[in-house]
Amino acid sequence: DIQMTQSPSTLSASVGDRVTITCRASQSISSWLAWYQQKPGKAPKLLIYKASSLESGVPSRFSGSGSGTEFTLTISSLQPDDFATYYCQQYNSPWTFGQGTKVEIK
Amino acid sequence: EVQLVESGGGLVQPGGSLRLSCAASGFTVSSNYMSWVRQAPGKGLEWVSVIYSGGSTYYADSVKGRFTISRDNSKNTLYLQMNSLRAEDTAVYYCARVIGLTLRFWGKGTTVTVSS
Repeated sequence: DIQMTQSPSTLSASVGDRVTITCRASQSISSWLAWYQQKPGKAPKLLIYKASSLESGVPSRFSGSGSGTEFTLTISSLQPDDFATYYCQQYNSPWTFGQGTKVEIK
Repeated sequence: EVQLVESGGGLVQPGGSLRLSCAASGFTVSSNYMSWVRQAPGKGLEWVSVIYSGGSTYYADSVKGRFTISRDNSKNTLYLQMNSLRAEDTAVYYCARVIGLTLRFWGKGTTVTVSS
């Protein structure tokens, strides 16, 4: 099975900061990677698919990049609504999630 | 409007069974890939199972042989039959509509607790 490793596990940041989360796959998954945002007590929400495509309705401050085994999610200017947990997910064979990155207020 | 509403969760003893339902509206379940994802208390997301529009089914190793995904086209509903439940199956279970192989629409989840 393909393992997904996210770093860091927790990230402390301030409003306006540029934030980057990394996700590594145990083998190449081409660009078959998605990013989700989850807030406490809520279902996850799709942000990015196919590594770098922005889901409709998601603010443009979110962006994704990478291919193969290394991927990043970047929030260009952190907003109060962005404090949440973020998960990467590969959908190459069939689906596995990273362990999550909690973005908290510094 | 796409809606997914899960039900059927509850408290069950180890070794017991439970069937989760996911009622869909705004689209046709049988024409889509549909999936179950779970989240143990305080933990991350874990993919559980998927059913393709053609009927093929796949499972995570952790539930293979114990869980069965199915759908009722007449009710536009997805199911997850869970047998031989263990404490580690305790989680919120979400159903999701899959589009482009990503989990695009999610229900609010139903809670399963396995405990004596």
